[in-house]
Amino acid sequence: DTAVSQTPKYLVTQMGNDKSIKCEQNLGHDTMYWYKQDSKKFLKIMFSYNNKELIINETVPNRFSPKSPDKAHLNLHINSLELGDSAVYFCASSHGGTYHEQYFGPGTRLTVT
Amino acid sequence: AQTVTQSQPEMSVQEAETVTLSCTYDTSENNYYLFWYKQPPSRQMILVIRQEAYKQQNATENRFSVNFQKAAKSFSLKISDSQLGDTAMYFCAFMKLNSGNTPLVFGKGTRLSVIA
Repeated sequence: DTAVSQTPKYLVTQMGNDKSIKCEQNLGHDTMYWYKQDSKKFLKIMFSYNNKELIINETVPNRFSPKSPDKAHLNLHINSLELGDSAVYFCASSHGGTYHEQYFGPGTRLTVT
Repeated sequence: AQTVTQSQPEMSVQEAETVTLSCTYDTSENNYYLFWYKQPPSRQMILVIRQEAYKQQNATENRFSVNFQKAAKSFSLKISDSQLGDTAMYFCAFMKLNSGNTPLVFGKGTRLSVIA
């Protein structure tokens, strides 16, 4: 009964390919996020969705396209992968109201060769 | 925009001793939350402790406590009786309170090693 799950956990691919990372949460949260952790361990927000609607889109290349088919899922599709996309991608979710903890998935390590 | 600064890239502590990790932040917001997250080698992000800015009392969670100085914009983490399992990256994070949910702004992390 994992709260936030991501698939796959590891992804190795070549430059120029298109890949997707899936995220699902079973906590009934209404907001989901994608964070990127670079090789120096720095974590930064990429996208935020609330009730399937995009509410935050940081400066991320257009090659990255999040898709939220329903409140429990937020997938990340990446086109034309580049070496610099190699990172760990974390999905997270949270509930509104007075309690603001974000629950993180296990992360997906993407390696572009 | 908010920024979070962790000035100690790496620290080490002997098992059973106490260590303090530093964090400062910059914001013009008055209502916000501060967090410490732990990331062990498994890379799972684990919430260690949370502090609401409107609360003057410092948060504590078992061996973990914070020293929150709102005027100085400082939020340090103290780990008492350090254990080998505390070895991890520690991230300080800021979240402003809004009508909706807002993302976390992280510091660059402090790598803590607990030595037997």
